[in-house]
Amino acid sequence: ETGVTQSPTHLIKTRGQQVTLRCSSQSGHNTVSWYQQALGQGPQFIFQYYREEENGRGNFPPRFSGLQFPNYSSELNVNALELDDSALYLCASSRAGGSGETQYFGPGTRLLVL
Amino acid sequence: KNEVEQSPQNLTAQEGEFITINCSYSVGISALHWLQQHPGGGIVSLFMLSSGKKKHGRLIATINIQEKHSSLHITASHPRDSAVYICAVGTKQGAQKLVFGQGTRLTINP
Repeated sequence: ETGVTQSPTHLIKTRGQQVTLRCSSQSGHNTVSWYQQALGQGPQFIFQYYREEENGRGNFPPRFSGLQFPNYSSELNVNALELDDSALYLCASSRAGGSGETQYFGPGTRLLVL
Repeated sequence: KNEVEQSPQNLTAQEGEFITINCSYSVGISALHWLQQHPGGGIVSLFMLSSGKKKHGRLIATINIQEKHSSLHITASHPRDSAVYICAVGTKQGAQKLVFGQGTRLTINP
């Protein structure tokens, strides 16, 4: 069973740029959730994708967008980067949508915006 | 007030001590999750529970739905248990999402 993987592991961008983060879900899972974790804070829910459709969104602006592909891997895109977007971005996959399933987390992508 | 509150924020103990971390929440939930995060960021799911009690090795998680409270216990603590422990609740209303507590940083000294 292949675990959740994320790429890249680290990334440095400047304000105003755009970034794409990638997540491969665990085999057999059709749901991917994305989270932002600022330093010293708990993760914050960005959105969830279930069978290629957005299935819930947290309090993040539209410049945070996502995609899920037929193989259930997913991308998180952030446009017009701001300094406050510097954080650890985590994805997690699960067998089904919603919030009542065990989630399996990837190692995260650490983004620094200068 | 945060929807999920954990206490304590930091906890230092000696190897072998019994550890308790508490979590209180204020929203209707589908399930409560206990997670472990090691330095470097990786998160591991320890428990998902919606009632009663679960045990896995030296870890025990309990939940009281009426009181909206959960506890994570570690028996015979060991330095390798040092990590951040995070409580997260799956919400029932609106977007079904996980809402996380701030985490409890646990340090076990040998």
